[in-house]
Amino acid sequence: EAEVAQSPRYKITEKSQAVAFWCDPISGHATLYWYRQILGQGPELLVQFQDESVVDDSQLPKDRFSAERLKGVDSTLKIQPAELGDSAMYLCASSLDREEVTQYFGPGTRLLVL
Amino acid sequence: EDQVTQSPEALRLQEGESSSLNCSYTVSGLRGLFWYRQDPGKGPEFLFTLYSAGEEKEKERLKATLTKKESFLHITAPKPEDSATYLCAVQARDYKLSFGAGTTVTVRA
Repeated sequence: EAEVAQSPRYKITEKSQAVAFWCDPISGHATLYWYRQILGQGPELLVQFQDESVVDDSQLPKDRFSAERLKGVDSTLKIQPAELGDSAMYLCASSLDREEVTQYFGPGTRLLVL
Repeated sequence: EDQVTQSPEALRLQEGESSSLNCSYTVSGLRGLFWYRQDPGKGPEFLFTLYSAGEEKEKERLKATLTKKESFLHITAPKPEDSATYLCAVQARDYKLSFGAGTTVTVRA
C-alpha cells in the first residue's frame, strides 16, 4: 500500500539552529501539504503545493519558515532559526489533486527545540 | 471562519461499552467531512469521508453519520485496540481542511 514518507521521525535541536524536514508523497499525488500539530490540538496547515507551485502559504511564518517542492515530487520544510515555540509534530500529507478531497498523512516528524 | 468542535475531549470506555463522539461544524460550502484516527506519536490515519447530510459509512466497529451541522462517530462494542485520538475535519468550498482538536478514546479491558 502506497504511503507518505517523512524523515527524520524525531529531531532535537537547540534554539537558533536550522532544521529541515523531508517528505515524499504518494506516487502520482499532485498536491502536497505541510501541517503543524501542537500536542492536544488538531493539525494546522502551513503550506500547500500543487505540483511545484505554492497555492497557499498564508499561515507559514515566512520570517523563519520556508518550503520548496522543486520538481513537483518530494518536498522540504525548513526552519531557521528554530524557536522554543516551534516544538511540535510536523505532518506531511498528499492528495491526488487539489480537488480530490481525501488527504493521506505521513508518520510525522516530532521536533523538540531546547 | 470555518470551525470544527469535537466533544467530549476525552472518553474512557469499558471494553464492549458502545458510545458516540460528536463533531459539530460551521463551514462555507462543505465539500466533505473526514474522520481520522491518530495513535500517539503517529500521523492521522484516514477512516471515512462523508459528503452530504444523511450519508453513513461503516468500518468494523466504527460508523460515521452526517447531518447539516454535525457528524457522529459511533463505536460499537469497542476493544482496547480502538484506543486512539479521533480527529474530525471539514473541507470548505476553497478546499481548505480545518481540523477539530480531537477526542481521545481509552478502552479498558
